Amino acid sequence: DTGVSQDPRHKITKRGQNVTFRCDPISEHNRLYWYRQTLGQGPEFLTYFQNEAQLEKSRLLSDRFSAERPKGSFSTLEIQRTEQGDSAMYLCASSGRDSLAKNIQYFGAGTRLSVL
Amino acid sequence: QQQVKQSPQSLIVQKGGISIINCAYENTAFDYFPWYQQFPGKGPALLIAIRPDVSEKKEGRFTISFNKSAKQFSLHIMDSQPGDSATYFCAATYGQNFVFGPGTRLSVLP
Repeated sequence: DTGVSQDPRHKITKRGQNVTFRCDPISEHNRLYWYRQTLGQGPEFLTYFQNEAQLEKSRLLSDRFSAERPKGSFSTLEIQRTEQGDSAMYLCASSGRDSLAKNIQYFGAGTRLSVL
Repeated sequence: QQQVKQSPQSLIVQKGGISIINCAYENTAFDYFPWYQQFPGKGPALLIAIRPDVSEKKEGRFTISFNKSAKQFSLHIMDSQPGDSATYFCAATYGQNFVFGPGTRLSVLP
């Protein structure tokens, strides 16, 4: 158990609906990352938080996607007006503060989204 | 330049054999090279990692070999076991930038 929790584990939704995923990182970690993983591919970076500040967003993160980390603890990823192409595993990872720990990302089990 | 290439895409090894997965990168800014293991339905888990000032790192049956001049690194799994059957991802990082390879699906036959 890595300590990163994601909820829900699975989400099935109809095209056009909004969905929200939650990530609870390891408690002492100040860095939090969201990734998307499709079948047979490695995780693709979506966005990164240091504490509550969203410092980087990938071009993959269209304007239908929004992420927050309001108190620097848990984070949410919302997808509005879902499309079938959004079907994927959404992974959250966290890492620590010091120069060594920040390189080590611990992943949650992911939320598998299926858009019908 | 942000890509990490990984091969083979899939690998079948007999129990007790050596599994070798290769990765290559272009961006010389990368300064940390972790390998992750992922089982079905689980998130990736850190297996072993290396910095570019070291040519080899060994942890139990897992060894990373690193060739800085060639910008290549590889994972060797000695005495492969059926429990090693999983998907393996190499990654390259600098700062908060993490780039993953496409993965290698390893099957170890009993």
